[in-house]
Amino acid sequence: EAGVAQSPRYKIIEKRQSVAFWCNPISGHATLYWYQQILGQGPKLLIQFQNNGVVDDSQLPKDRFSAERLKGVDSTLKIQPAKLEDSAVYLCASSLKVSGSRNEQFFGPGTRLTVL
Amino acid sequence: SQELEQSPQSLIVQEGKNLTINCTSSKTLYGLYWYKQKYGEGLIFLMMLQKGGEEKSHEKITAKLDEKKQQSSLHITASQPSHAGIYLCGADSNTGGFKTIFGAGTRLFVKA
Repeated sequence: EAGVAQSPRYKIIEKRQSVAFWCNPISGHATLYWYQQILGQGPKLLIQFQNNGVVDDSQLPKDRFSAERLKGVDSTLKIQPAKLEDSAVYLCASSLKVSGSRNEQFFGPGTRLTVL
Repeated sequence: SQELEQSPQSLIVQEGKNLTINCTSSKTLYGLYWYKQKYGEGLIFLMMLQKGGEEKSHEKITAKLDEKKQQSSLHITASQPSHAGIYLCGADSNTGGFKTIFGAGTRLFVKA
């Protein structure tokens, strides 16, 4: 079974530039998550999709971050414009989870973003 | 809001030694997950605990959830270099939608 795919693996940009990350979840997984992991901290949920609908985006800085999941499969996360504090690893995860149930999340390798 | 505190922050052990990592919640835990993260990589699921007093084992790793469901421990027996990495506990936050929150992680180094 193929895992969660993310690209690019690394990205270096200057502040005020734009950047986009792509995620392809495990086939059949209804729920997709984007996390931000700052060095030395645990992952922080940015946005959670179930199929192509948003379940939770309460911690997404909507003035600069946006995400979409077209057709309930792949997803993209965009930052525009980037700030120095956006330097982090952006993790995508997916699960079979439906609302109200619990199960494990499968994580991609992450995209390491450096903002100069 | 619910917070997870992990201890210790980092740990260096000699190969073959046992070790324990703790995860303490500010609120009752309704779903507790343990993940392992190798440096520069994504998280790998280890175990999920739900019931007070529950204990699960996989190979040389055992995780427990206390009866009050506010603390979990992860115990590694006879550590090996392959156990090195960051261990993260996660929990379902009951603030709608079962959003998962994570602790800051425990960094484990195993000396050969």
